[in-house]
Amino acid sequence: GAVVSQHPSWVICKSGTSVKIECRSLDFQATTMFWYRQFPKQSLMLMATSNEGSKATYEQGVEKDKFLINHASLTLSTLTVTSAHPEDSSFYICRTLGEATDTQYFGPGTRLTVL
Amino acid sequence: GQNIDQPTEMTATEGAIVQINCTYQTSGFNGLFWYQQHAGEAPTFLSYNVLDGLEEKGRFSSFLSRSKGYSYLLLKELQMKDSASYLCAVTGTGFQKLVFGTGTRLLVSP
Repeated sequence: GAVVSQHPSWVICKSGTSVKIECRSLDFQATTMFWYRQFPKQSLMLMATSNEGSKATYEQGVEKDKFLINHASLTLSTLTVTSAHPEDSSFYICRTLGEATDTQYFGPGTRLTVL
Repeated sequence: GQNIDQPTEMTATEGAIVQINCTYQTSGFNGLFWYQQHAGEAPTFLSYNVLDGLEEKGRFSSFLSRSKGYSYLLLKELQMKDSASYLCAVTGTGFQKLVFGTGTRLLVSP
């Protein structure tokens, strides 16, 4: 069964509004969460890495003030897209780690459409 | 920096064999993953290679050459449902960070 849930699965919003995406680990502790963005017909691009209780680390070119990440608990990480614009329309996916090196858990993804 | 390249698109017919290549240049390397992704869905795990050689798992096999910075995913007995994007991804130093390649869209036709 699913070990990582993501909510909402899709969202449509107006330009200028903020959208919060939640990623929850089910029945295990997700110390680290990775957030990815995927534009149509492109691959996943790592946006940021968050560790529970500390500030997120952003990849080059990702605006930390626009994409706010909070990882306040071991089971919940959130990504807030502030003042969203049409170019932010994308598929956002979270990923966390399992106990083994080769174990990765992805959330089911959130489709964001900004009008 | 990191650079991971794959062919953009490939086509093949049902029942055939297809090989999807991935070349990478990374500052640190601790393993390579292959994922399958259908449109609008999260990636699903196919294979993980950390040592040189071929790993076989049913219809799918994955090969790695660390010295050449090269991997391939081999899909046998293609089925229509194999039409999807295939992503290779490399773990760098620390095992946590996973960087994806450009992705290959595979279309399987009857």
